[in-house]
Amino acid sequence: AQKVTQAQTEISVVEKEDVTLDCVYETRDTTYYLFWYKQPPSGELVFLIRRNSFDEQNEISGRYSWNFQKSTSSFNFTITASQVVDSAVYFCALRTRQGGSEKLVFGKGTKLTVNP
Amino acid sequence: DTEVTQTPKHLVMGMTNKKSLKCEQHMGHRAMYWYKQKAKKPPELMFVYSYEKLSINESVPSRFSPECPNSSLLNLHLHALQPEDSALYLCASSFVVRDQNEQFFGPGTRLTVL
Repeated sequence: AQKVTQAQTEISVVEKEDVTLDCVYETRDTTYYLFWYKQPPSGELVFLIRRNSFDEQNEISGRYSWNFQKSTSSFNFTITASQVVDSAVYFCALRTRQGGSEKLVFGKGTKLTVNP
Repeated sequence: DTEVTQTPKHLVMGMTNKKSLKCEQHMGHRAMYWYKQKAKKPPELMFVYSYEKLSINESVPSRFSPECPNSSLLNLHLHALQPEDSALYLCASSFVVRDQNEQFFGPGTRLTVL
């Protein structure tokens, strides 16, 4: 089965704290792709990162970093020195194939609130 | 141009109305998607078009009718909706090539069915 679990429903932090959002996935595919999206209150989903299964290198983009561990089937997302603008719902997703097309399986999302 | 546009932003309709949602992209993407998102839930896939052909229909009721008239446009025709169909409807697009197929989403249409 293809499944994504985001166990943290809501997280609240104070500005400048570091915060890690957890993502655990299940898949039978040997090659697969994982994604993180941000959904601010305005509603639009913003693509943050794509990671394929054969590239376990961790990635850093400014205050954002991602830790991909195949051994534990996890793809965690860390925001360093959080800011109020980081407040949003964050979704982890796994791409899976159905017929001739591919679809995203989303986790339930983690709502992050960064307080001033 | 790196965005997906959707119109209208908000739509209120009665259960007997017929309306359409529109989505447009000019990124050269050949896969386009419709999602439905209820409050505090993740997006749920409704339809996928690949090269302008319907490739996935996630058992969506026939009161929702998708259309892909060309590679840049995606419509969702609505007819005889129910109040429980009220939701945020998101359009997305992507390349079909495996290593570049992250989906880019539009801002969505907030639909209210009275």
